[in-house]
Parts: sequence; structure tokens; C-alpha cells
Amino acid sequence: DTGVSQNPRHKITKRGQNVTFRCDPISEHNRLYWYRQTLGQGPEFLTYFQNEAQLEKSRLLSDRFSAERPKGSFSTLEIQRTEQGDSAMYLCASSPTAGGYSNQPQHFGDGTRLSIL
Amino acid sequence: SQQGEEDPQALSIQEGENATMNCSYKTSINNLQWYRQNSGRGLVHLILIRSNEREKHSGRLRVTLDTSKKSSSLLITASRAADTASYFCATAGYQGAQKLVFGQGTRLTINP
Repeated sequence: DTGVSQNPRHKITKRGQNVTFRCDPISEHNRLYWYRQTLGQGPEFLTYFQNEAQLEKSRLLSDRFSAERPKGSFSTLEIQRTEQGDSAMYLCASSPTAGGYSNQPQHFGDGTRLSIL
Repeated sequence: SQQGEEDPQALSIQEGENATMNCSYKTSINNLQWYRQNSGRGLVHLILIRSNEREKHSGRLRVTLDTSKKSSSLLITASRAADTASYFCATAGYQGAQKLVFGQGTRLTINP
């Protein structure tokens, strides 16, 4: 179990630039989640995939945000025309499909910290 | 938006003492989970308690759930310096819900 891997760990960019983050989930997990966490707060849900299908998106995910999981394995989160308010830690998590409707714990990566200059 | 609140926001105790953190939430839930986060790292799952359960144990952790009061508590017994971290509760709103709604967290410091 190599865990959830996120790259890069840190990203510093100028306002208005586009950025892309990558998440590699635990290989046998077919569910993948993106969260955003600002300093001193808990993570906030952004979006969720089951295999390659994006099944839920938060209202926090504005038009400038897009997430993909093209082959049901790794995922990318892109932010276009970055703004100061996008500065945060972006966390990815994965979980296996549970039998029935019981929820499974989510396994988190160490995140990508985005700083907008 | 955050689902609920955690209390206290910060807690500092001596090694060996017990630490209790509380979490309140606003809407009905399917289950409630507790996670730990060390500074600059991702979250680590600690324990999951379902809405029809009242208490659950895992090693030095004890979690209670009171759905009538919409609250949960996490007790860490015989604390260690390595327990220093932020602790978050998270709720799943219904059967099959995948989105977790997190509280603001409790920052726990264990003094040696």
C-alpha cells in the first residue's frame, strides 16, 4: 500500500496563471475525492469521482476549476486564472467501493499547497 | 460551509493525561468519522461510528455518538507527545453519501 500520492507538494504562482495538480490514488480504490483546506479550517469538499465518472461537484467549484479522471486511475485538478483566494491546501483522498451503502474511510494524500503571489 | 463545530478549538495537556474533544453537527447523518492531521500533512482516519451506534473503541481512542443531541466526543487516553495534532470530525449525511463535511478541528498539544 503506497498510499495516495499528490504532486507537486508546493506550487507558487502569480495571479492569473493556470495551475494543475495531480493525484494518484491507492491502486485498488475506485473512488477519488478532492478537498480544499485553508489555514485553521477543516477540509471543504470540492468534487468526487467513481471510476472515471464525476458524480458530485460542490458549488465551491467555480467555472475556473475543472477536475478529470480520464482512465479511472489518477486525477488532475486544474485552476484557471488563479486568484488570491485560491491560496489553500488542495487535498486528494481515495476509498474503495463498499458493499451495500456503508461508507468507507477516506485515505488522504499530503496535499498540494498553492500560494498565489 | 462547515457542518458543525468542535470544542475546544485548542487543548494543551500533559503527557499521560486524557484528552477529550467534542463535535456538534447540524443535520442528520449516516455516520461520523474522526481524523487526525499532523502539521503540513494529510488527514489520517482514526475511527468511524455509524448513526445506530453509541460508542466505539479503538486502542486508546473512545468515540461516543449522541444523535439526539447531534454531538460526538473523542477521548484519547494516556496521551503521548506523538498525539500532538489537529483532530477533525466529519459527517456523511445519508446512506451512500460520499461527501464528508468536516468541522473546524481541535488543535491538541501534548506537553512532555
